[in-house]
Amino acid sequence: QSVLTQPPSVSAAPGQEVTISCSGSSSNIAYNSVSWYQQLPGTAPKLLIYENDKRSSGIPARFSGSKSGTSATLGIAGLQTGDEADYYCGAWDSSLSAVLLGGGTKLTVL
Amino acid sequence: EVHLVESGGVLVKPGGSLRLSCAGSGFIFSNAWMNWVRQAPGKGLEWIGRIKSKANGGTTDYAATVKGRFTISRDDSANRVYLHRNSLKIEDTAVYYCATGAVELPGLDYWGQGTLVTVSS
Repeated sequence: QSVLTQPPSVSAAPGQEVTISCSGSSSNIAYNSVSWYQQLPGTAPKLLIYENDKRSSGIPARFSGSKSGTSATLGIAGLQTGDEADYYCGAWDSSLSAVLLGGGTKLTVL
Repeated sequence: EVHLVESGGVLVKPGGSLRLSCAGSGFIFSNAWMNWVRQAPGKGLEWIGRIKSKANGGTTDYAATVKGRFTISRDDSANRVYLHRNSLKIEDTAVYYCATGAVELPGLDYWGQGTLVTVSS
């Protein structure tokens, strides 16, 4: 069971916006940077967002990240069918001395 | 261009052993902190552990759930990182990925394509 909690699934229509939450604690999200990873079907994960809100190279501005307290949020605007993927949050946990990855959220673009 | 290639995926019986390799190129491997992450069929990502660069002590950190069961090592002369596991269990069946830690960006910034390990009798 992940210490970073994400909703199992979210869905929205093309063109709309979704947010994916990632809930942690004072030993991880509160004091460490959050990263987000996108895993398209049948492929390896790739870094989407780093340091809470910075987009990785080549990632369009439709993707955004934010953090407040012990939670982080990934936003995807102007949804496209190609955005259908699993999304994972990640952060270092200072108490466990380990990288934590959320359980993942499956995005469906209806 | 950063490139990571895992190898060593096998079909192995319970109780068997595992040695996966990950070859890195396109970056200064000896400076990189290298991670292993696995994904069981139909499940989410699970961070296994990491090994720091020798300049940072070459020490390892492991997830609490796997500590003592996996060993990560590196050979900078070969630009490779390894994952060792004895006494494999059926639940170790997964795709195993290696990933760089902050070679260019904070986080797990580059990932290999993964290698499948199947533990079955």
